[in-house]
Amino acid sequence: GIQVEQSPPDLILQEGANSTLRCNFSDSVNNLQWFHQNPWGQLINLFYIPSGTKQNGRLSATTVATERYSLLYISSSQTTDSGVYFCAGLTDSWGKFQFGAGTQVVVTP
Amino acid sequence: NAGVTQTPKFRVLKTGQSMTLLCAQDMNHEYMYWYRQDPGMGLRLIHYSVGEGTTAKGEVPDGYNVSRLKKQNFLLGLESAAPSQTSVYFCASSYVGTGELFFGEGSRLTVL
Repeated sequence: GIQVEQSPPDLILQEGANSTLRCNFSDSVNNLQWFHQNPWGQLINLFYIPSGTKQNGRLSATTVATERYSLLYISSSQTTDSGVYFCAGLTDSWGKFQFGAGTQVVVTP
Repeated sequence: NAGVTQTPKFRVLKTGQSMTLLCAQDMNHEYMYWYRQDPGMGLRLIHYSVGEGTTAKGEVPDGYNVSRLKKQNFLLGLESAAPSQTSVYFCASSYVGTGELFFGEGSRLTVL
């Protein structure tokens, strides 16, 4: 099956710092998404980004489908950005998604 | 706009007991999913459904059964709970056209 690798596995940021999270796929995927799991366990949709670049406030994402990777940028990080960031892609026509293992982000004051 | 709703949010069971988790979505999505997440781990697919009356196994289906009698509901059943099924369970749904996935808030299950 398709493998999804996220890097780095862990990230510690000082408030105000910028960072980039990466998601690599072993094969083509459709409909790539980024999620944030907050410290309370809720999974929040960040970006639905099959290709191209999108921005939402301090967060932005870029997917290069032909090269099988996606990047999530966090700028001017805040403590509320802490949590786990997952990427996922639709791997087949039956609606099955493949998730990465996640990047654990801790933003310190 | 409720989105994806899971009930109950918390449950404690004794080994051998049975229970059903209910997932309801109001977005008219064709596809629905049940995932489990263990501490410090990612999401693992238990079962999924591509439409009313159809279900299929995911990565970790053993010990679980599902039913999708109505398009908006997807039920996850544990017939004889085991401590290994202690986990947080997430339901999700997606529209077949776009494939964008939406999650419920999760159900925390503890089996003693």
